[in-house]
Amino acid sequence: GDSVTQMEGPVTLSEEAFLTINCTYTATGYPSLFWYVQYPGEGLQLLLKATKADDKGSNKGFEATYRKETTSFHLEKGSVQVSDSAVYFCALSDRDRDDKIIFGKGTRLHILP
Amino acid sequence: DSGVTQTPKHLITATGQRVTLRCSPRSGDLSVYWYQQSLDQGLQFLIQYYNGEERAKGNILERFSAQQFPDLHSELNLSSLELGDSALYFCASSQTGQGWQPQHFGDGTRLSIL
Repeated sequence: GDSVTQMEGPVTLSEEAFLTINCTYTATGYPSLFWYVQYPGEGLQLLLKATKADDKGSNKGFEATYRKETTSFHLEKGSVQVSDSAVYFCALSDRDRDDKIIFGKGTRLHILP
Repeated sequence: DSGVTQTPKHLITATGQRVTLRCSPRSGDLSVYWYQQSLDQGLQFLIQYYNGEERAKGNILERFSAQQFPDLHSELNLSSLELGDSALYFCASSQTGQGWQPQHFGDGTRLSIL
């Protein structure tokens, strides 16, 4: 079945460092891909999305490119801030699989000042 | 503020009991989703409703049930509670429930079973 695999955390970086959180997926159809972020004590929020191959989603300095050939959707940011500390979830929704959204296990990110 | 309201924020109860969690979706959204988040299982999709009808089912136990009412609010009923049901329960909503649409999450209900 469809699945999402993202790198295990926690990831600890210093402020202004470059961030990459890896995400790969398995899907039978042509899924839409998402990154959600969960700040402490809050629900998930959509960070960015991409609906077709080579699309780049971007928001708040974060970017991810839909790579069909490598079935990946890695999250990147050039210079992280302490306020980026949160849990990041990669997710997919496959129209050929009843449109259910499947989340990865989440990656906890700690940014040190 | 996502516009999705969940009540109560915290719930403490005992094994064997029954509880009801409530969710009001964002204005204009017709579809509601329920998720369970625990440390060992991560974020698990439970069930989805669209305009009052069940649309998709995930890893929802038989002891759990849900419904969406004509005013579009939804309730998740958990019965015969066990220690392992302790978790954060999230409600999310989207406009038409299609997978490519983003979901808007509430802040969750934290359920603690003693």
